[in-house]
This record gives sequence, C-alpha cells and structure tokens, in this order.
Amino acid sequence: DGGITQSPKYLFRKEGQNVTLSCEQNLNHDAMYWYRQDPGQGLRLIYYSQIVNDFQKGDIAEGYSVSREKKESFPLTVTSAQKNPTAFYLCASSSGQGNNSPLHFGNGTRLTVT
Amino acid sequence: AQSVTQLGSHVSVSEGALVLLRCNYSSSVPPYLFWYVQYPNQGLQLLLKYTTGATLVKGINGFEAEFKKSETSFHLTKPSAHMSDAAEYFCAVSLGNTGFQKLVFGTGTRLLVSP
Repeated sequence: DGGITQSPKYLFRKEGQNVTLSCEQNLNHDAMYWYRQDPGQGLRLIYYSQIVNDFQKGDIAEGYSVSREKKESFPLTVTSAQKNPTAFYLCASSSGQGNNSPLHFGNGTRLTVT
Repeated sequence: AQSVTQLGSHVSVSEGALVLLRCNYSSSVPPYLFWYVQYPNQGLQLLLKYTTGATLVKGINGFEAEFKKSETSFHLTKPSAHMSDAAEYFCAVSLGNTGFQKLVFGTGTRLLVSP
C-alpha cells in the first residue's frame, strides 16, 4: 500500500541536541511538507518542497532545516536553535498538481525535549 | 490573506444526534476548502473537499459540508453521530492561484460523542 512513513513515533532528546525526523513516501508525489502541531493551535507549516533539491520556508522555519535529495524522502532536523521543540510533527505529501490536490499525512512523530 | 476560523474548540453530542462543526473562511480569491479528521496520535485524513461546482459536498463516513459563499462558511455536518466519530476535525483553505497545494488550517474542533 502507498503511504507516508514517519519514524520514530516517539522521540526523546536533551536540550541542546539536534535531532532528525524521518519522512518517506512511496506515493510518487512531487510535493512534501512538514507541519508542527501544538494543542489549540492547529497545524503550522515549517518547510515545504515542490521538487527534488528545492525547498522553501514555511511560516515557522526558524530553528529547523530540511533536505530533499530524493523524491521519496524529506527529513526534518530540529536544531538546538529551536526554542520550543517539544511538539507533534507531521509530514505530508501531495501530487502538487494544482492547489486542490489533497494532502496525504503520515502518522506523526512526537518529539519531547527536556 | 486566507484564513480559517473554527468556532468552538470542543463540541459534545450524544450518539445518534446531529453533528455540526462550524468553519468560516476569508479569502481574496475563490477558495478551495477541505475538512480533515485526526484520531489520537495519528496523522490527518481527508474527509471531503470543495473545489468548484456543487456546493454540497459529500465525504467519507457519512459527513457532508455545504459551501456558502454569501456567509463565507463551510460547516461540516453528519445527521447521526457514532461513537467512532470522536476525533479532532480541522477545516483548511488552500492559498489560491499558487498552482501548488499550500493549506492554512483552523485550530481544530474536538468532537466528543457520549453514549
């Protein structure tokens, strides 16, 4: 079955450490996205990529970095510069064919930084 | 700029009762509108979407939504709630004319269903 795989499901880190969240899709989608979800705030866009080797900052990119070396993969690094990294992180993809194509989401990674 | 407002962070209904989750949007161009559902510790799943054409949109699990341009609303309804409908629901609007999917989400409404 096609889908989006995020790993790990739960991640614990000490403050000051960088951490990388994995996102892999086998839907052959061109576009991929990272969202952050906090209680009562909905989803906020961190980074997105329309095509391999290209990505753009979303609304809350500070303290995060991404790469898009392969179509299937869009890893997110949460750096020590991110002031409040504890959150639920969601990766998504879409076919990118116009702005009515729905997003397909992974099951998320819950990051806890202490 | 496009935005979405979901009225009520929590909605409680009894099993078998009507479900109504409210969503109002603002958009400077004709919007594309979506409803997603999220079960605990999972990603979001598309319920339904409005692009153009018929203003009453039917989705999965018996949900439907009506696009009302005059009211800038896209409320989600289901005639009879089931226990399995308990989840969080997100309304979203697509930034228009980008040729690329970029959604703005509301803050979500948690639906509680009691027996």
